[in-house]
Amino acid sequence: DAMVIQNPRYQVTQFGKPVTLSCSQTLNHNVMYWYQQKSSQAPKLLFHYYDKDFNNEADTPDNFQSRRPNTSFCFLDIRSPGLGDAAMYLCATSPDRAPYYEQYFGPGTRLTVT
Amino acid sequence: AQSVAQPEDQVNVAEGNPLTVKCTYSVSGNPYLFWYVQYPNRGLQFLLKYITGDNLVKGSYGFEAEFNKSQTSFHLKKPSALVSDSALYFCAVRDMGRRGNAGNMLTFGGGTRLMVKP
Repeated sequence: DAMVIQNPRYQVTQFGKPVTLSCSQTLNHNVMYWYQQKSSQAPKLLFHYYDKDFNNEADTPDNFQSRRPNTSFCFLDIRSPGLGDAAMYLCATSPDRAPYYEQYFGPGTRLTVT
Repeated sequence: AQSVAQPEDQVNVAEGNPLTVKCTYSVSGNPYLFWYVQYPNRGLQFLLKYITGDNLVKGSYGFEAEFNKSQTSFHLKKPSALVSDSALYFCAVRDMGRRGNAGNMLTFGGGTRLMVKP
């Protein structure tokens, strides 16, 4: 089945130690998104890629970076995780053609910072 | 600026009873509206959407939603709730205000926790 895959599902890192979360998709969608979600709140968009074009949200901290080496893969890098970065990180994809406006989400990576 | 409101943090319903999860929106122009469900420690799952056409939209797992333009609402409904429907539900509207390669940005409501008791 076509899907969005996130690895790992659970990640523990130490305060200040860089961590990378990965997302892959078999849907061949040209848009990929990274969200941060804390304790059952609404997901907060960090950034998205439209093809290879990177689009950062204005309030996304510099500590968060992303890479998209090809259509299928996207990575979220947290350069120096703080305790406040502990959250669920969600990857999503969407095509950019009508009427397929919905986003398809991966299962998420739960990040713990110790 | 557009916005989505889910006025209830939690909805409690008995199994077998009908359920409604409320959503109201504020956008300029015609809205594209979505409902997602999130089970514990999982990502969001798409349930249904309204783009145009019939105001009653049917989706996955027996859910449906009614678009009401005059009341700017898009309430999620199900005729008979199951315990397995217990989850977090998010209403969202497509962001119509972006320019350029904006993809399909969504503005989410704050979420409503649905608790279905046996």
